[in-house]
This record gives sequence, C-alpha cells and structure tokens, in this order.
Amino acid sequence: DAGVIQSPRHEVTEMGQEVTLRCKPISGHNSLFWYRQTMMRGLELLIYFNNNVPIDDSGMPEDRFSAKMPNASFSTLKIQPSEPRDSAVYFCASRHTRGRVGEAFFGQGTRLTVV
Amino acid sequence: AQSVTQLDSQVPVFEEAPVELRCNYSSSVSVYLFWYVQYPNQGLQLLLKYLSGSTLVKGINGFEAEFNKSQTSFHLRKPSVHISDTAEYFCAVSSFQGAQKLVFGQGTRLTINP
Repeated sequence: DAGVIQSPRHEVTEMGQEVTLRCKPISGHNSLFWYRQTMMRGLELLIYFNNNVPIDDSGMPEDRFSAKMPNASFSTLKIQPSEPRDSAVYFCASRHTRGRVGEAFFGQGTRLTVV
Repeated sequence: AQSVTQLDSQVPVFEEAPVELRCNYSSSVSVYLFWYVQYPNQGLQLLLKYLSGSTLVKGINGFEAEFNKSQTSFHLRKPSVHISDTAEYFCAVSSFQGAQKLVFGQGTRLTINP
C-alpha cells in the first residue's frame, strides 16, 4: 500500500491566490482528517470526514477555508483567498472506524508558503 | 469533547538516560489513546496505542506507555534513549463513540544530547 498521498509536497503562492491541497487516503479507510501544523499553534484539527461526510468542521479557521470529499479515495482542502498567516504544513490522515478503531496514518504533508 | 495536555514542551536528556514524556487527557466518554512521533520534515507515525486490556502498552523503538484511568494520564517512557530518538512526540485521544475525531496535544520536543 502506498500510504496516504498528499500533493503537492510544497506550494508557494502569492497572497490572494487560490490554493488547493489534495489527499488520497489509504484504500479501505473510511475516515479522513485534515490538520494544520505551525510552530505557534502546534497540530490543529481542521475538519474530519466519516464515510465521505463532514462530521466536524469546527476547526476550520474561517470561510476562506473549504474541504470536500467527493468520494472515498479523494479529498481537497481549498483556501481562497490565501493569506500569509495560512503558511503552515497541512497534513491529511486516514483510518478505518469499522469495528475497532484503527490508528490514523498520515501523509507526508504539504508545506504551504503564502508570500 | 476531548482534550489533551502534554505537560512539557521540550525535554532535553543525555544519551542512554531514561525519559518520560507526560500526557494527560480530558474526556467525558471512554477513549482510545495514542502516541505518535514526528521526525524532521516528515509526517507523524504511530509509536503505540491503547485500545483496551493491559494498561501497559509496548510500542516500537523500545517505547512503552501506561494508561492510568484514575489520573487520566498516558505517559510515554523509554529506559535508555538514543540520538536517533530526537524528534517531536504527540499524544492523541479518540472517543469510542460519536464523532471519534482524533485530537492531539501540543507536542513535546525530545532532544538527546551526547
């Protein structure tokens, strides 16, 4: 299994531009998480999907952020318009919750720099 | 709702010394508990997990953790650390039921000095 795949690995964009981060979870996993990691705030949960349905988006910072999961094998996190304070490493993670809850597997992350 | 507190943001230790990284959690329901490790410029990987059964859990790389329900703690220990253990360590909780979201603590940076 290739694990959780995130793209791109690095993204540099100008303030005001739209940014789309992509995630392919592990096949068979039915839960997906998006996290943001910064030095100041640590690892923050942005949104959590279960069976492709957003369950908890209370961590999404503001309306500029949106996330979708159109099917079990793909999710996107979009920032529009982007701002310098959005610079961070964004992680996607997946796991299964059928029966006994499994561990979450993380992607390598997308390092976003907004200039 | 669940929350996790890692009591130390940084822990410096000498090589071959023992180490304990502290984690306390808060939850109104039963939870699963996890420790993850993050090496520089990498994603998080699982060290160990407590789901049920024995409260002493052994993980990879010689780490172990003990679940203490009365103290709502899940401290991570290693009897003798190596330079390669230098990393950031995260404690996490997930509820049995309901949203089952995975909530992390702020992390503890473990630095091993020769």
